[in-house]
Amino acid sequence: DAKTTQPTSMDCAEGRAANLPCNHSTISGNEYVYWYRQIHSQGPQYIIHGLKNNETNEMASLIITEDRKSSTLILPHATLRDTAVYYCIVRVVSGNTPLVFGKGTRLSVIA
Amino acid sequence: GAGVSQSPRYKVAKRGQDVALRCDPISGHVSLFWYQQALGQGPEFLTYFQNEAQLDKSGLPSDRFFAERPEGSVSTLKIQRTQQEDSAVYLCASKRWTSGSSYNEQFFGPGTRLTVL
Repeated sequence: DAKTTQPTSMDCAEGRAANLPCNHSTISGNEYVYWYRQIHSQGPQYIIHGLKNNETNEMASLIITEDRKSSTLILPHATLRDTAVYYCIVRVVSGNTPLVFGKGTRLSVIA
Repeated sequence: GAGVSQSPRYKVAKRGQDVALRCDPISGHVSLFWYQQALGQGPEFLTYFQNEAQLDKSGLPSDRFFAERPEGSVSTLKIQRTQQEDSAVYLCASKRWTSGSSYNEQFFGPGTRLTVL
């Protein structure tokens, strides 16, 4: 079972920041937080991951609380192409463990 | 193309038919995963290969499901005597070998949508 809780859906105005929350209160010390997204009719796509420090890449920023029980994925300037289902996943760093997906958050970016 | 490809993209089968779904991973990727995604749900793990060895098949829902990767590259997921509950999108993902690294990205194909009538 997924170890994360996410809102079912969210809306965001185009050009504004999209902040997607995730609760993972039972996360273990050796587990990372990963985010993937799935655009309609495509396979999931990796976005970002982190352990305890905030992370940023060309796609998004990841903010992890100090107690690591929750995190927020930030898309700084959402576009219509960011409309997708976003999955928050916690997992150990072990070369080849499968991803355990929940239902994710359906983000709709509105013009 | 450099990505993971799957074929066919869509498959309609009559109940009781056998189907075979193909996955072409990224060249050189050692690890290969199969997932099943029901409508409105997240993907669920089916099975995992490292090269040609099937190391984990704990997610296969029944003995009607069989996967192989005989030469450590292309993989085939076979479903025998299909049932309506098998209707789903079947996703394949590949990953290069990493050891002791937190970077653990799986690259997914577009999936095969199977509809069993």
